[in-house]
Amino acid sequence: QSALTQPASVSASPGQSITISCTGGSSDVGSYNLVSWYQQHPGKAPKLLIYEDNKRPSGVSNRFSGSKSGNTASLAISGLQTEDEANYYCCSYAGSDTYVVFGGGTKLTVL
Amino acid sequence: EVQLVESGGASVQPGRSLRLSCAASGFTFDDHGMHWVRQAPGKGLEWVSGISWSSGTIAYADSVKGRFTISRDNAKNSLYLQMNSLRPEDTAFYYCAKDIRVALSGMVDYWGHGTLVTVSS
Repeated sequence: QSALTQPASVSASPGQSITISCTGGSSDVGSYNLVSWYQQHPGKAPKLLIYEDNKRPSGVSNRFSGSKSGNTASLAISGLQTEDEANYYCCSYAGSDTYVVFGGGTKLTVL
Repeated sequence: EVQLVESGGASVQPGRSLRLSCAASGFTFDDHGMHWVRQAPGKGLEWVSGISWSSGTIAYADSVKGRFTISRDNAKNSLYLQMNSLRPEDTAFYYCAKDIRVALSGMVDYWGHGTLVTVSS
């Protein structure tokens, strides 16, 4: 069960925009519209930001958006704020053998 | 308000067993698949196990297959994880998590606060 591949870290200044990639394969990201993204602040439980590749739960800011092309999903965050500094994880359904795989996580620093 | 409250975490020796519980409230429990997801201190999220609404589908990560058993009691709105033959690498916070669907989609909209399992001699 290989984890999805995310960059270890990204950094940007307040007000800027960033994109975090999540690369899987044809057995997970590329086969199902079931990618989700989570934000986790230190010492807290994860929070759902995006589900079904690009849908936002109610209450999540529209500064967060999801997309996918082939085997790579992406999370975009616009108008960065200091409170966006956190760890971000992607996750994908991976079929009836593996079921669920997470990315290794990306630490976002807002300088 | 959806609440997931884990319990049962403890410090145990390698080879011992532990049973985690998760009490769910604020939603129709048997309308959703459920998962256990763990996170070693300072590390990333790792999916451990999932169970569909009816217990008809049960799945495990390779790292715990044959040692851990997931179960649920819909009458008690509760999720469980029986962990046997524990290893030091099982040390982590264990989160109870609610799938957005009745089956196992991997998309989780609510998480508990986690319970810490430490495996050490």
